[in-house]
Amino acid sequence: DGGITQSPKYLFRKEGQNVTLSCEQNLNHDAMYWYRQDPGQGLRLIYYSQIVNDFQKGDIAEGYSVSREKKESFPLTVTSAQKNPTAFYLCASSSTGLALYGYTFGSGTRLTVV
Amino acid sequence: SQKIEQNSEALNIQEGKTATLTCNYTNYSPAYLQWYRQDPGRGPVFLLLIRENEKEKRKERLKVTFDTTLKQSLFHITASQPADSATYLCALGNNAGNMLTFGGGTRLMVKP
Repeated sequence: DGGITQSPKYLFRKEGQNVTLSCEQNLNHDAMYWYRQDPGQGLRLIYYSQIVNDFQKGDIAEGYSVSREKKESFPLTVTSAQKNPTAFYLCASSSTGLALYGYTFGSGTRLTVV
Repeated sequence: SQKIEQNSEALNIQEGKTATLTCNYTNYSPAYLQWYRQDPGRGPVFLLLIRENEKEKRKERLKVTFDTTLKQSLFHITASQPADSATYLCALGNNAGNMLTFGGGTRLMVKP
């Protein structure tokens, strides 16, 4: 079945540690996105990529980094510079950069700072 | 700045009734609007898309309206069922279509 796979489902980070969240899709979608969701709040865009080897900052990119070396993969690194990283992270993809047909989301990674 | 408002309070209705959720926006001229369903601990699932030149869209028990004058979309679920209980998010897209802007979502609880 085609879809988006995020891993791990739960992740614990120590203070000062960098962690990487995985996002893989087999939908042959061009565009991929990372969102952050805090309790009771909407989705906030961290980074997005419309083609391989190119990505753009979203509204809350500080403290995060991404790469897009392959069409299928869009990993997100939460760096130690992100002071409040505890949140639910969602990866999404769409068939074009136009988002006219809806995003396909992964199941999310819940990151907790310990 | 752009703002999308959905009722942050949960909507509680009885099974069989019609649920109506509201999405209001300001400082935005969207080319289209989408509605998603999100279950706890899961990613949102795309439900419906409506374009700015469309007044209404239907899909099975779902109906969406889009009023660009009022800057508002209404999302209706007819003959609601307990399985419809979830959080529903609206999202707006512009003509460039590079990304969506999401509202905070409204939680719907359908009681048997």
